[in-house]
Amino acid sequence: NAGVMQNPRHLVRRRGQEARLRCSPMKGHSHVYWYRQLPEEGLKFMVYLQKENIIDESGMPKERFSAEFPKEGPSILRIQQVVRGDSAAYFCASSPPGSDEQYFGPGTRLTVT
Amino acid sequence: SQQGEEDPQALSIQEGENATMNCSYKTSINNLQWYRQNSGRGLVHLILIRSNEREKHSGRLRVTLDTSKKSSSLLITASRAADTASYFCATESGGDSSYKLIFGSGTRLLVRP
Repeated sequence: NAGVMQNPRHLVRRRGQEARLRCSPMKGHSHVYWYRQLPEEGLKFMVYLQKENIIDESGMPKERFSAEFPKEGPSILRIQQVVRGDSAAYFCASSPPGSDEQYFGPGTRLTVT
Repeated sequence: SQQGEEDPQALSIQEGENATMNCSYKTSINNLQWYRQNSGRGLVHLILIRSNEREKHSGRLRVTLDTSKKSSSLLITASRAADTASYFCATESGGDSSYKLIFGSGTRLLVRP
C-alpha cells in the first residue's frame, strides 16, 4: 500500500505565477488535510476536505488560496499570484473514515523567486 | 502562543545518551502525537497517546502524558546518530474540530557520533 503521494516535491515559481500542488491520499482514505510549514516552525493547519466537500478551511488565507478534492483524482492546493511569503513546505495528510491518525506525505517545497 | 510548545528548542547529546523532549499545551485534548522530521523531509509518525493514557512505549521511545499539567514528554533511550532530526508534538482536541492537529515549533535534536 503506497503512502500519501505529493507532487511535485519541489516547485519554483516567480512572483505572480500560479502554484498547483497535488496530493494523492493512501488507498481507502477519503479525508485529506493540508498543512503549511514555514522555515524553523511547526506545521499549521490549512484545510480539511472529503471527496467533493470542503469541511473546514479556517486555516486558509482568504485570498489567492483554494483547495479541492474531486470525486476522481488527487486533491489540489492552488495558490494564485504567489508572493515571496508563500515560500514554505506544504504537507498533505490523509486518514480513513473514523480514524484519528493522519498519515503525512513527503511535502512539496515551494520557492517563490 | 501555539497549543503545543516544545522544550528545549534545540538539544545536542552524545550517541548512547538519552534525549528528553517536553511539550506543553493549553486546552483539553483527545490525544497527543509525536512526529519526527529529518532535515528537509516529510513527517514520520512516532507514537500516539490518548488522553486517558499516562505512558506508552515503542521500541526506544517512551512517551508520558500528564493531563493535569497539560504536558507530555518524549524520551529516546540509547540515542543514535540516525535519531538526529526535529521532533514535533501535535495535539488533537475534542469537539467539532478534532481532526485539526496543532503542532508545536519542534525540538531540534543533534546526536553526535
